[in-house]
Amino acid sequence: NAGVTQTPKFRVLKTGQSMTLLCAQDMNHEYMYWYRQDPGMGLRLIHYSVGEGTTAKGEVPDGYNVSRLKKQNFLLGLESAAPSQTSVYFCASSPHRDRDLEQYFGPGTRLTVT
Amino acid sequence: GDSVTQMEGPVTLSEEAFLTINCTYTATGYPSLFWYVQYPGEGLQLLLKATKADDKGSNKGFEATYRKETTSFHLEKGSVQVSDSAVYFCALQAGTALIFGKGTTLSVSS
Repeated sequence: NAGVTQTPKFRVLKTGQSMTLLCAQDMNHEYMYWYRQDPGMGLRLIHYSVGEGTTAKGEVPDGYNVSRLKKQNFLLGLESAAPSQTSVYFCASSPHRDRDLEQYFGPGTRLTVT
Repeated sequence: GDSVTQMEGPVTLSEEAFLTINCTYTATGYPSLFWYVQYPGEGLQLLLKATKADDKGSNKGFEATYRKETTSFHLEKGSVQVSDSAVYFCALQAGTALIFGKGTTLSVSS
């Protein structure tokens, strides 16, 4: 099992450009998540999905869109990148358990917006 | 709303020293609690967890006990190693998501 994989690993964008980050998991997990990690801020939830075809907003959703067309994939889009979106982005997945939401994380994507 | 508060770091220790990283939470009810670890350049990985009050989670010499009276889940290890140098995150389950603390950086020197 590859677990949770993220593409790309690194990316540099200019302000106003768009891009899509891809997350894939091969564990048949129901739930998937996108986080951003910034120094001193910990992990903040951007969007999440509790099943194929469903998405929901997290703590910091502005400027991002997501789609979950297939159960194993969760895409994060930036339509018009801004320097404030410079961050490390992590995807995670989790099986559906009521009281044990153990999440499995990908290796991260480091995005720089100039 | 629900939240997690961790002690601020960095925490700097010598090898074989005792480690405590404090974590307290605010939540309705009794959420499941987790400790995650992040090694340099990697994603987070689960270190241990506890799903109900008085449970003790343990892994790789680390322990944490779910204390509902003090709403705490402090991480401890009796003798740290250089390889334990990492960032540690406390988290609680809130519905279908986790809420993370800001992380505590641990640096262990030989």
